[in-house]
Amino acid sequence: GEDVEQSLFLSVREGDSSVINCTYTDSSSTYLYWYKQEPGAGLQLLTYIFSNMDMKQDQRLTVLLNKKDKHLSLRIADTQTGDSAIYFCAEVYSSASKIIFGSGTRLSIRP
Amino acid sequence: DTGVSQNPRHKITKRGQNVTFRCDPISEHNRLYWYRQTLGQGPEFLTYFQNEAQLEKSRLLSDRFSAERPKGSFSTLEIQRTEQGDSAMYLCASSAEFSGASSYNEQFFGPGTRLTVL
Repeated sequence: GEDVEQSLFLSVREGDSSVINCTYTDSSSTYLYWYKQEPGAGLQLLTYIFSNMDMKQDQRLTVLLNKKDKHLSLRIADTQTGDSAIYFCAEVYSSASKIIFGSGTRLSIRP
Repeated sequence: DTGVSQNPRHKITKRGQNVTFRCDPISEHNRLYWYRQTLGQGPEFLTYFQNEAQLEKSRLLSDRFSAERPKGSFSTLEIQRTEQGDSAMYLCASSAEFSGASSYNEQFFGPGTRLTVL
């Protein structure tokens, strides 16, 4: 079946690293995504990882994929107030098909 | 602005009324997707078009819902006899079509239409 799970809330201190975790069930997923959603704004694709990769780094973002455990994580280094948002983990079979989203993790930053 | 646009941005209606939403995708994109997002949840897939052909529909898309993309450009999503449970954000996304084993076609999302059914 198709299911993506993630914790609902995360609070970190400004300047620390944030790690958002996600588990998924479909081992045939081709791509795994992280989307960001800010209040009143549309969904923004932050980064994605192809299923045959273990890690991807993009500036302050690091994505780790453990295919054996079907676990995906997003690390945001030096977390800033502008990183406050809801972060969605998502999976897709192929780039043409529907995206299966998790329920989102709300990241809040404390001073 | 060359992104995905959706109209209206907000719609308040009374239970039992019909509503129609419009999505204008990025002009060169031939794929168009509709999703629904309720409060505290991630978006859920509703349906998907490639050009004017509707290729997949979710079980969430009851008989009261119909989507069209008559000329392969803009799309409309109509909900008949709205119910309070239809209250949600309706998101549209579009993507281009590239071939190849390692091709990646990002879905670009619009700002959504927020529907409130009273």
